[in-house]
Amino acid sequence: AQKITQTQPGMFVQEKEAVTLDCTYDTSDPSYGLFWYKQPSSGEMIFLIYQGSYDQQNATEGRYSLNFQKARKSANLVISASQLGDSAMYFCAMREGSSGTYKYIFGTGTRLKVLA
Amino acid sequence: DTEVTQTPKHLVMGMTNKKSLKCEQHMGHRAMYWYKQKAKKPPELMFVYSYEKLSINESVPSRFSPECPNSSLLNLHLHALQPEDSALYLCASSQGFKGRSNNGYTFGSGTRLTVV
Repeated sequence: AQKITQTQPGMFVQEKEAVTLDCTYDTSDPSYGLFWYKQPSSGEMIFLIYQGSYDQQNATEGRYSLNFQKARKSANLVISASQLGDSAMYFCAMREGSSGTYKYIFGTGTRLKVLA
Repeated sequence: DTEVTQTPKHLVMGMTNKKSLKCEQHMGHRAMYWYKQKAKKPPELMFVYSYEKLSINESVPSRFSPECPNSSLLNLHLHALQPEDSALYLCASSQGFKGRSNNGYTFGSGTRLTVV
């Protein structure tokens, strides 16, 4: 079963507008972390934001915020005031913690295109 | 130094060649990872090293051989590869192996491998 689901293969947003990229997850582990990464065409994966399963408040990092709804198992990324440089692939990832293992599971990604 | 450096950036090799990919970090991170990423797909975990010991091998074919000579260096030795092994190979590191902290990966920019 898919553990991380990103249902939007592609998104368009007008420059300076806000955009929400969806991510839902599935885990039975009470301790987990959720991450968003940006991958430009150059290939590098750039860490954007992190949300821990025990965090009470939604994470924010500059123009990025994470809308964490634990009961719905969703962790949507909100980018405010989009810029042309935000055009890239965006991956949601989950880290599951259990004794002796530690790895990330990535969603299939959302390709964002910011329009001038 | 907050970077993960991968060399070479591009590599073309024949199916009978032996080559190596190199990854280096000087952030004191104790976990290092190899991921394989095909075009328009999410990264797929190959290997995890924790404290210089191989911790996870995701059933990777033996033509891929990882090596962690020290805590800063991670190699991936390639031998007798197939054209379908052509992909972006990403190295990543993280602070530790367990815990609930923001244990996000720092990725390198990857090596684009083409097997001919």
